[in-house]
Formats: sequence, C-alpha cells, structure tokens
Amino acid sequence: GENVEQHPSTLSVQEGDSAVIKCTYSDSASNYFPWYKQELGKGPQLIIDIRSNVGEKKDQRIAVTLNKTAKHFSLHITETQPEDSAVYFCAASLGGTASKLTFGTGTRLQVTL
Amino acid sequence: DTGVSQNPRHKITKRGQNVTFRCDPISEHNRLYWYRQTLGQGPEFLTYFQNEAQLEKSRLLSDRFSAERPKGSFSTLEIQRTEQGDSAMYLCASSFSLETQYFGPGTRLLVL
Repeated sequence: GENVEQHPSTLSVQEGDSAVIKCTYSDSASNYFPWYKQELGKGPQLIIDIRSNVGEKKDQRIAVTLNKTAKHFSLHITETQPEDSAVYFCAASLGGTASKLTFGTGTRLQVTL
Repeated sequence: DTGVSQNPRHKITKRGQNVTFRCDPISEHNRLYWYRQTLGQGPEFLTYFQNEAQLEKSRLLSDRFSAERPKGSFSTLEIQRTEQGDSAMYLCASSFSLETQYFGPGTRLLVL
C-alpha cells in the first residue's frame, strides 16, 4: 500500500520567516495530495490540496509544489505568524473509488515572536 | 454550523466494555470515512462508506470493530470488548463523491 514520509518532525521559525515541510510518497498512482493543519484537541483542517495534473498551487501565504517524477511534494508557508503554530500533516490518495487518505507522521511547527 | 459533528467528544471506559461513537457528516455528502489517530501520529484509515454501502475496511479494523451507516446519513462506530490499545482519537470525515474530505472534531477514547 501507499506509504507517506514527512520531514521534519518539528520545525521552529521566527515570526515573519518562511517554513517548508516536505513529504514523499511511494505509490506512483497517487494523484491527490492534501495538507491538513491540526490544533490541539481538534480535528484536522484542510489548508490546501493539489492534484497530480498540477505542479504548483498557491493560496495567499500558503503554497504547495508537486514533483511527480520524484514522488515528492512540499508545503511552503511565507510570512509566518504565531497562529500558524500547529501540527501539519501531508496525505496522499489514489483517488477514484480508492479515496482513502494515507497520512504522514506530522510536523509540529512553532512560530516564535 | 454545517460541519462534521461527532459525539461524544470524550469517552472513558473500562477494559472489556462496549462503546459506540456517532458521526453526522456534512449534509448531502455521500462519502463518510472513519480514521483513528494515536498520540504523535497521523490519522490512519479504518473504513469508508459511499451512501449506505461500506466499500472498504482496513486491516486495522479487527472483528471487535463494526461500523454502520444505515440510511446513508449518520454513521456509528462500535468497539466491543475494548482493550487499552484502543485508546485513541477516532476521527470522522465526509466528502461529496471524490472531493475534499472534511474532518470532524473527533472522539477521544480512553480505555482504563
């Protein structure tokens, strides 16, 4: 089955700096890659997603890039703010009827003042 | 609010007892998913429904676990004869066909 690896496990940045989280996946047939933000005691919230027919997608301070050849995708957060502090998860899905998500192990992002 | 709702939010039970969780998906979402999340890990897929049909079950879903979605709306997840290893956050998500999965707040289970 699909396997998703995520790095780093923890990331500390100063407010205003950029943060980058990287994921790799194993199944070349995966075609949908969402990113979720999870705050303490809450369920994951979708922040951005990308499909395999797109190389990059941006939404304000958040962007995701996808390299299908390398089976690699990354989350970029610019101008970080303290409220960005949370655990971020990448995920991959084969799509279609096999739409279950396989998650990475998470990255704890700490934005310091 | 029309998001995914889950009840109860917290459940403490003794080993060997049965527990049941409920998930109410976003209205008109035909797919409903259950995931389990242990501390420090990402959510792991358990099972999913399209309307009332259970289409896939993970190997994580032992015989003690059963899920239903009788009318294609809300779903229940029952764990029989709970074990300490069942302690986790149980997350429900819903989607409309192949689109984005939206998660509920989860039910945190503690088995003593």
